[in-house]
Amino acid sequence: DIQMTQSPSSLSASVGDKVTITCRASQSVTKFLNWYQQKPGKAPKLLIYGASNLQGGVPSRFSGSGSGTDFTLTITSLQPEDFATYYCQQSYSTPLFGGGTKVEIK
Amino acid sequence: EVQLVESGGGLVQPGGSLRLSCAASGFTFSTYWMHWVRQAPGKGLVWVSRMNYDGRNTKYADSVKGRFSISRDNAKNTLYLQMNSLRVEDTAVYYCARWESTVINGYYYYYMDVWGKGTPVTVSS
Repeated sequence: DIQMTQSPSSLSASVGDKVTITCRASQSVTKFLNWYQQKPGKAPKLLIYGASNLQGGVPSRFSGSGSGTDFTLTITSLQPEDFATYYCQQSYSTPLFGGGTKVEIK
Repeated sequence: EVQLVESGGGLVQPGGSLRLSCAASGFTFSTYWMHWVRQAPGKGLVWVSRMNYDGRNTKYADSVKGRFSISRDNAKNTLYLQMNSLRVEDTAVYYCARWESTVINGYYYYYMDVWGKGTPVTVSS
């Protein structure tokens, strides 16, 4: 199975900051990489699929990039509702998740 | 409205069994692959199992293989997860999710676009 590693595991940021989260696959997943947002007590929500395609209804301050083994989720101008945990997931094979990155208020 | 609703969770002793259900509505359930994902308290998301649209193709995480069984009834628009020989480490919220795809430049990109709210399972004596 292709393992996914996210970094950092947590970060502190302020409203208006630019935030970058990294996801690395143990082998190439080409562009088969998804990002999800999860708030406490809620189900995950799809943000980005195919490494860089924004799901409908997701604000344009979210963007994804990368291919092969290295991927990035960027949030420009962090908003109060963006404080959450973010997960990457590969869909190249068995859809395993990364360990998550918790974005907290500084 | 497209919706998934899980049920069947609860408290069970180690070694016991539970059957989870995931009722789908608002879309043609029989044309979608479906997944179960779980989340232990304070931990991350863990993929558990998946089933193709007609029930003939299944896959399981190593941690549940031989103990859990996924199934579906397309006539009832319902996905199931039969969990046997439950262990303390199976304690988690269990989510079902729809596996959707979008074609981009000839490639099918798959993702979990609809999730239920989850059903909690606690394995404890």
